[in-house]
Amino acid sequence: AQSVAQPEDQVNVAEGNPLTVKCTYSVSGNPYLFWYVQYPNRGLQFLLKYITGDNLVKGSYGFEAEFNKSQTSFHLKKPSALVSDSALYFCAVRGGNTPLVFGKGTRLSVIA
Amino acid sequence: DGGITQSPKYLFRKEGQNVTLSCEQNLNHDAMYWYRQDPGQGLRLIYYSQIVNDFQKGDIAEGYSVSREKKESFPLTVTSAQKNPTAFYLCATQDRGSEKLFFGSGTQLSVL
Repeated sequence: AQSVAQPEDQVNVAEGNPLTVKCTYSVSGNPYLFWYVQYPNRGLQFLLKYITGDNLVKGSYGFEAEFNKSQTSFHLKKPSALVSDSALYFCAVRGGNTPLVFGKGTRLSVIA
Repeated sequence: DGGITQSPKYLFRKEGQNVTLSCEQNLNHDAMYWYRQDPGQGLRLIYYSQIVNDFQKGDIAEGYSVSREKKESFPLTVTSAQKNPTAFYLCATQDRGSEKLFFGSGTQLSVL
């Protein structure tokens, strides 16, 4: 069975500082990894994905994520946080021809 | 959220009542999904459909039913058998080429 763990319910960071939102996964075979963001009372929006290729993936709004196969991790990062980055972030994974499994989400709060 | 319309935005269910949530898309995507979101629990898959006239149960299908008679439409019925229906319901479609999910803006269902 595939699963995703987001160990932090909440991450607080000061504006201008780097941010990291953690994600680890378990899946059979090669993973398809995604990050999505959700603003209040809205659906989720795609940020970035890793399917194959370079381990460092760049996405929307200056976010990036690094695929680490040995640690089965796919942490989301941004060099300089903005107040407008405050939202709920979801990591998701699938292996093979199965639907995506989402983590429980991490609430990011960027403080001015 | 463009291209996927969920209605209504808010819905109230009385005891013993079935209610239907609408999801319509104009993205020409074959695959459609229904997720349930509860605070602190992330997104859980209810049902999904890879093609018209076919659908599969997700992780929490009990108390729910779906149909897929048209490519554009994937309505979800919350039956009286679902004893704890209060949640935020999200519909999504998938672009087969990019693997991305596109989400509607959601329906908040509450029990009167």
